[in-house]
Amino acid sequence: NAGVTQTPKFQVLKTGQSMTLQCAQDMNHNSMYWYRQDPGMGLRLIYYSASEGTTDKGEVPNGYNVSRLNKREFSLRLESAAPSQTSVYFCASSRGLAGEQYFGPGTRLTVT
Amino acid sequence: QKEVEQNSGPLSVPEGAIASLNCTYSDRGSQSFFWYRQYSGKSPELIMFIYSNGDKEDGRFTAQLNKASQYVSLLIRDSQPSDSATYLCAVKPPTGGFKTIFGAGTRLFVKA
Repeated sequence: NAGVTQTPKFQVLKTGQSMTLQCAQDMNHNSMYWYRQDPGMGLRLIYYSASEGTTDKGEVPNGYNVSRLNKREFSLRLESAAPSQTSVYFCASSRGLAGEQYFGPGTRLTVT
Repeated sequence: QKEVEQNSGPLSVPEGAIASLNCTYSDRGSQSFFWYRQYSGKSPELIMFIYSNGDKEDGRFTAQLNKASQYVSLLIRDSQPSDSATYLCAVKPPTGGFKTIFGAGTRLFVKA
């Protein structure tokens, strides 16, 4: 039982490059989330998926897209990376409305 | 006013003392409250959740909720150096679907 897994752990991109961050959970959770964490800013929600087949914007969706591939997997895509997207990205999942979230280990992304 | 506010710290306590971490929130109708612990370079880990006014105890941790005053606190008894981490308060407002609002966190340092 791995919980929430994320790949890659580290990534360096040049401005304008694209990439996809992968996330998978094996807890049979319905809801999944993508956050970014910047110093002094706390966790900010980028996108979430309440259940398989649905996705919604969070507070900072600009520059990102997501895909809920199936119940287990939720990916985050940066189409044209910008230095402002340098951050630590966390994927999380929860059973549903209860709200207790379980986080993956994170991806440290640097855009130069 | 931020939706969830925490003192950034650092809060420094001696080993064996009680550490008291506080959090205030702006949406009076919020129903669910969470405390996460985040070690440096790691992902947030859920340690407590509370839904009703009053105290909830789990081992050395006690969460306290006062909805009238719109604050939630976390007490850590018999603090250990291994408790040194950033503690994130999170609040699920009544509106906003699955969105959970995170505070920026309080850094706790327990001196041996």
